[in-house]
Amino acid sequence: EAPLVQSGAEVKKPGESLKISCKGTGYNFTTYWIGWVRQMPGKGLEWMGIIHPADSDTRYSPSFQGQVTISADKSISTAYLQWSSLRASDTAIYYCARREATGESDSWGQGTLVTVSS
Amino acid sequence: DIQMTQSPSALSASVGDRVIITCRATLSIGSWLAWYQQKPGEAPKLLIYKASTLKSGVPSRFSGSGSGTEFTFTISSLQPEDFATYYCQQYNTYPWTFGHGTNVEVK
Repeated sequence: EAPLVQSGAEVKKPGESLKISCKGTGYNFTTYWIGWVRQMPGKGLEWMGIIHPADSDTRYSPSFQGQVTISADKSISTAYLQWSSLRASDTAIYYCARREATGESDSWGQGTLVTVSS
Repeated sequence: DIQMTQSPSALSASVGDRVIITCRATLSIGSWLAWYQQKPGEAPKLLIYKASTLKSGVPSRFSGSGSGTEFTFTISSLQPEDFATYYCQQYNTYPWTFGHGTNVEVK
């Protein structure tokens, strides 16, 4: 099984809240940082932030600080990305990715498509 | 933030061609640069890390070079399965940042 498995596609209305997940499997989840990457329709990759599941140390891109919350529950080997009030502009595919010991992201989740539409 | 300027944004090439993509950082990032390949409907795949280290299992026609602020990604002989979008990413300094991507299309 792939090291990172993400939750399924979501369709939400503007103003609704959402929490998507990324579950680590087959490795010690607390050893590796987990990052989140956004890809808007037809666009490139944008790095959102990263969390260390062992102590929940979190770093955000200034572009996403205050717009989303990254969290993790090490007891169930799962990282989360959440919104308190979605906008249409949040429509995108969101990927989680594991930071390897040498820094690069070698393992990626399959992506979660979030569609926000009234 | 460190900005990554990737060029070209798109190129047309034929099977067997040599393809070169460049990535320039606004500040020195040492060798903390990765290159990813993404095909439609798929997650990105790591090809090269630490600027020039080929990930295990990745064909040797892919290579990377550079350090500091100037980096190059090369496909020595383009194969049919290589038509995709390629991204550079710096992971020297938070926030990590990606280049805008290079779409390698069939000529």
